[in-house]
Amino acid sequence: DADVTQTPRNRITKTGKRIMLECSQTKGHDRMYWYRQDPGLGLQLIYYSFDVKDINKGEISDGYSVSRQAQAKFSLSLESAIPNQTALYFCATSVASGSEEQFFGPGTRLTVL
Amino acid sequence: AQSVAQPEDQVNVAEGNPLTVKCTYSVSGNPYLFWYVQYPNRGLQFLLKYITGDNLVKGSYGFEAEFNKSQTSFHLKKPSALVSDSALYFCAVRDILSPWNTNAGKSTFGDGTTLTVKP
Repeated sequence: DADVTQTPRNRITKTGKRIMLECSQTKGHDRMYWYRQDPGLGLQLIYYSFDVKDINKGEISDGYSVSRQAQAKFSLSLESAIPNQTALYFCATSVASGSEEQFFGPGTRLTVL
Repeated sequence: AQSVAQPEDQVNVAEGNPLTVKCTYSVSGNPYLFWYVQYPNRGLQFLLKYITGDNLVKGSYGFEAEFNKSQTSFHLKKPSALVSDSALYFCAVRDILSPWNTNAGKSTFGDGTTLTVKP
């Protein structure tokens, strides 16, 4: 969905490096999410933010941190990348209602060597 | 706690035949239920959702799903499959009555089912 963009789309890095993945949205949504997708494991929630000042840990937040710079921007950082963080990372947004669907970005494929 | 299960890793059907992708869920209260589709090298796209009302929900691309509260299921169906329907399908659940400081606003996704439609 072009309304949710992620940069970079692909990244190869080495163990121990700090990496930042960025997400921007033009949908005007308050809620933003970061997910990780591994083959056969579906999507796991890393962090989520209900507004600029409300950030919450998800299921697998260890080794990750986030920053909500503005309503439209939500960045995910790997402070010291390790090989088992190799995965496909998705950003998503939704309106502030529990009944609404999420809109996903195209994903960032991260490889940690 | 909330959880969702997609019991089949893979579903294979012939073009023109009906298809079903299964999903069962577990929530403490009442569920919001969603189906998403993921094509190769793309993010997830919303297909349909059940919030309340009619148990049969119609969505994009001719897909529909039936909410069955007694069986805690929300199976995705399509009367006549197309080769272009081949993709990875995810079911997701959100508990309506979750307290604010636990599952509120969070969806739990199944592990996905790969649908292959052969000509």
